[in-house]
Amino acid sequence: GAVVSQHPSWVICKSGTSVKIECRSLDFQATTMFWYRQFPKQSLMLMATSNEGSKATYEQGVEKDKFLINHASLTLSTLTVTSAHPEDSSFYICSARIYSPEAFFGQGTRLTVV
Amino acid sequence: AQTVTQSQPEMSVQEAETVTLSCTYDTSESDYYLFWYKQPPSRQMILVIRQEAYKQQNATENRFSVNFQKAAKSFSLKISDSQLGDAAMYFCAYSSQGGSEKLVFGKGTKLTVNP
Repeated sequence: GAVVSQHPSWVICKSGTSVKIECRSLDFQATTMFWYRQFPKQSLMLMATSNEGSKATYEQGVEKDKFLINHASLTLSTLTVTSAHPEDSSFYICSARIYSPEAFFGQGTRLTVV
Repeated sequence: AQTVTQSQPEMSVQEAETVTLSCTYDTSESDYYLFWYKQPPSRQMILVIRQEAYKQQNATENRFSVNFQKAAKSFSLKISDSQLGDAAMYFCAYSSQGGSEKLVFGKGTKLTVNP
């Protein structure tokens, strides 16, 4: 199956700093990528949908100025958490689709803000 | 908007036995996809099985099979001959038809497999 690589797997940052998470489709061109957030023992919550070359579509309640998403190419989407605070600590997962029913997921990134 | 409901927060099964996880969904669409994803402790999402709504035949993948009841909007997962490696969170998910549609997830069911 198709491979989606997410980097880093885990990151610790200081409160007030920004952190960037990368999501790459390694062997296919992803027209659409999705960013999810998952709290412990909870389900995946969609944050935004990212299409190559256009602005991301954010779900209601997600701060677009805090969670910057860039989809500059068909194989790379990035999520930048700006001015991170402890409440932003979570598990972030990206997913990609290429005109198929199946969605391919990255390994996830555990963000801890101290 | 579509919703997915998993009414069993936790389930347990004895090794080698069979267990069924429940899922119901709500939609006004006639064509869509349904999925079961497994999330082990590593937290990597793994596709278990997929069902296209237009297909009447229930999908099967080795020990995993579904009971898809379109009129009842029900999509349950049956795991036969349960193995210790099946222990994980299981999420039911819905997607509208189309290659760039988002997945809507249920809250998940934690499956424990007892030796």
